[in-house]
Amino acid sequence: DTGVSQNPRHKITKRGQNVTFRCDPISEHNRLYWYRQTLGQGPEFLTYFQNEAQLEKSRLLSDRFSAERPKGSFSTLEIQRTEQGDSAMYLCASSRRDRGPTGANVLTFGAGSRLTVL
Amino acid sequence: GQQLNQSPQSMFIQEGEDVSMNCTSSSIFNTWLWYKQDPGEGPVLLIALYKAGELTSNGRLTAQFGITRKDSFLNISASIPSDVGIYFCAGQLGAGGTSYGKLTFGQGTILTVHP
Repeated sequence: DTGVSQNPRHKITKRGQNVTFRCDPISEHNRLYWYRQTLGQGPEFLTYFQNEAQLEKSRLLSDRFSAERPKGSFSTLEIQRTEQGDSAMYLCASSRRDRGPTGANVLTFGAGSRLTVL
Repeated sequence: GQQLNQSPQSMFIQEGEDVSMNCTSSSIFNTWLWYKQDPGEGPVLLIALYKAGELTSNGRLTAQFGITRKDSFLNISASIPSDVGIYFCAGQLGAGGTSYGKLTFGQGTILTVHP
């Protein structure tokens, strides 16, 4: 399978618990992104890695959220002390920049990890 | 966070009809993309547009990058039941080596196709 893989697909947790999501990008992609999508909305950018370096974080990413990509391959997104407002689909995407004239950077998304906080 | 203005929010059409949806922004984007999302899945890329004024087709889908770089539209011709889903526009800043891929999405258009 050459797609972006996310685990777990579904997570139900009680408020206050910690949760961790994992993303395995397409192997030759050096760029990895996390997005959050709530019901009826489009995905919203959370953070971006180039290789192992986290280069941008959205203001949506509160201090309870932490993302890592330790060896520039898979990434984890941890949410500490979950709140009901954290309930959403967490999407991972990966890309590599096209070496052609467009320099395009087209993202391929995973199927997402749906979090429900009770 | 910022999102693009996408319309209509939903559409109910008969199989065989053509569909048109559009997206506008107050900011300029250098790349426009259209994605389709099925329930419980991630968005899947349909069409990518890289130049202002560009018109690109992918089968029954046609999309255009507005000349102001602040809008785009997507047309689907002769709709079929499997076209059902949520369609999202997305804008990307930067071009060439300056683009790292961050996307700003619209709110989505929910398409229902009646057989």
